Amino acid sequence: DTGVSQNPRHKITKRGQNVTFRCDPISEHNRLYWYRQTLGQGPEFLTYFQNEAQLEKSRLLSDRFSAERPKGSFSTLEIQRTEQGDSAMYLCASSNFTGELFFGEGSRLTVL
Amino acid sequence: AQKVTQAQTEISVVEKEDVTLDCVYETRDTTYYLFWYKQPPSGELVFLIRRNSFDEQNEISGRYSWNFQKSTSSFNFTITASQVVDSAVYFCALSEANTGGFKTIFGAGTRLFVKA
Repeated sequence: DTGVSQNPRHKITKRGQNVTFRCDPISEHNRLYWYRQTLGQGPEFLTYFQNEAQLEKSRLLSDRFSAERPKGSFSTLEIQRTEQGDSAMYLCASSNFTGELFFGEGSRLTVL
Repeated sequence: AQKVTQAQTEISVVEKEDVTLDCVYETRDTTYYLFWYKQPPSGELVFLIRRNSFDEQNEISGRYSWNFQKSTSSFNFTITASQVVDSAVYFCALSEANTGGFKTIFGAGTRLFVKA
């Protein structure tokens, strides 16, 4: 069991570009979550999946954000037309039926 | 709507002191789950404990203990005889059962500094 893996770990991009992050969850976990964390704040819920189904998406999330989890395995989070306000740490977590979240190391996005 | 409040932004203690981190939650559900997570300077969030709403028994794990009181909607975390390695940001979190226990929301966190 290698834990939750995220890549890239750090992405620097220019405003207006698209970026994509990948998350590989713990293999036996069927639930996968995306959170966003900014400096000094707690993780902010973005969306979650059970298997391949996206069950909820935060109302705070603009249409520029989209997430997928094809075949219920890895997941991608894409941000289109990035803005400086998108700069944050994007965290992925997975869980089984007991609900404890196992987090990856995160992908830090810097939008110039 | 679910909400978690951690009123203490930062706490600084000297090694070997006891420290309590406060957590107050809001939920309309009768069935819910409470959690504490630790985020050390290295950055990766680590699960510490999970309690369900029907189990108010306090729990002790080594130097860590948790006090769950439904009457005050609180789930406080105490570190006894703190150590420098306890320095981290600690987050309290809540999942409601009506979401299938899926969506977990976090408080803003309490940054703990333990000085040698």
